[in-house]
Amino acid sequence: DIVMTQSPDSLAVSLGERATINCKSSQSVFHSSYNKASLAWYQQKPGQPPKVLISWASTRESGVPDRFSGSGSGTDFTLTISSLQAEDVAVYYCQQYYSTPITFGQGTRLEIK
Amino acid sequence: QLQLQESGPGLVKPSETLSLTCTVSGGSISSSTYYWGWIRQPPGKGLEWIASIYYTGSTFYNPSLKSRVTMSVDTSKNQFSLKLSSVTAADTSIFYCARHVLPRGYTSGSPFDYWGQGSLVTVSS
Repeated sequence: DIVMTQSPDSLAVSLGERATINCKSSQSVFHSSYNKASLAWYQQKPGQPPKVLISWASTRESGVPDRFSGSGSGTDFTLTISSLQAEDVAVYYCQQYYSTPITFGQGTRLEIK
Repeated sequence: QLQLQESGPGLVKPSETLSLTCTVSGGSISSSTYYWGWIRQPPGKGLEWIASIYYTGSTFYNPSLKSRVTMSVDTSKNQFSLKLSSVTAADTSIFYCARHVLPRGYTSGSPFDYWGQGSLVTVSS
């Protein structure tokens, strides 16, 4: 199984400041046939299902604000929120869809400082 | 707009079988591209993929749960189902159904792009 490890477990950032969440996979999730990493980022707010923000490590989904960006390759990935807004308070998960079993990171709780 | 809705008992006794159904509306479950999956989330904890099924009935299970999980599909009703046997309190979770592309060999998967709202199932006597 590919183990996904996120850091930190929780993060408090001031409004308007940058938030950075890291995700490391236990093996590469780079898919050579697509020349992309099979890595997604989700946002989950209380009482709601997760919502996909980023696919292929860096492709923003339709309707996702451009303050959200993803980067990384191979085994190390980052989700960045460039200017934190109040509505960004949530738990964020990374997920690999390179191979089964599909696995998620343990989640990072983002709060306002 | 594709919608998924979970249904089933909210309370199951220990050692019994948990059964849930996901009804898909706004689109056909008989898509040549997509798999239909179950993900669970213990209250306050993270996400775990349980299993996925193709409209033909082809299934893929998480090895950690494989011995207790069965999925099925009913294309006439645009539904798919999950059975989890021999449940314990540790299986208490919110169960989500969702759509995705399953990674297969040289073919990459995709994220879970459409999700149900989730169904809380508590295991308790």
